[in-house]
Amino acid sequence: SQKIEQNSEALNIQEGKTATLTCNYTNYSPAYLQWYRQDPGRGPVFLLLIRENEKEKRKERLKVTFDTTLKQSLFHITASQPADSATYLCALGSGYALNFGKGTSLLVTP
Amino acid sequence: KAGVTQTPRYLIKTRGQQVTLSCSPISGHRSVSWYQQTPGQGLQFLFEYFSETQRNKGNFPGRFSGRQFSNSRSEMNVSTLELGDSALYLCASSSGGFQETQYFGPGTRLLVL
Repeated sequence: SQKIEQNSEALNIQEGKTATLTCNYTNYSPAYLQWYRQDPGRGPVFLLLIRENEKEKRKERLKVTFDTTLKQSLFHITASQPADSATYLCALGSGYALNFGKGTSLLVTP
Repeated sequence: KAGVTQTPRYLIKTRGQQVTLSCSPISGHRSVSWYQQTPGQGLQFLFEYFSETQRNKGNFPGRFSGRQFSNSRSEMNVSTLELGDSALYLCASSSGGFQETQYFGPGTRLLVL
């Protein structure tokens, strides 16, 4: 069956460091992958989209890579700030439906 | 543009009852998707409507149903509620094209007692 795996353990890093979050998938051939941020009690907010024929995408301090051979996406936040603390969700798309991972909680401490 | 709105924000029901949740998409968006979010299962896709037609469906029992109106507003209904239906129900809207960004509402928190 299709599976999307994100680190279930929270990631704690110090302000200014680079946070790297992982999204692995199996039994899936997504046409694209998206990353969302979710704060407690709120709906997810879109951050970045990367297509299957793209290796890397950047937006300000954010970078995402997509390796369809390894079936993995990495999400990087450089120069992290306490305001980046949230849960980050990866979502795989094929067609018009999105399937989400369970998310990884990131805590950035001053 | 106003964001996606969902009503009600909080709801308490008892087992066996039914519930209807409402979602108003961003103006101009024709696609509305519904998701269930629980701590154990994460965010799970329920169904997606585009131009009043269900275009995609997740793996949920028939107790979960939805519809979309001509103004793109959508409702989802859960009949014969079970304790396990307690969750945050999120709707998201998009223009409906391929690989589109989804814009989420704040969700409806449902508690089944």
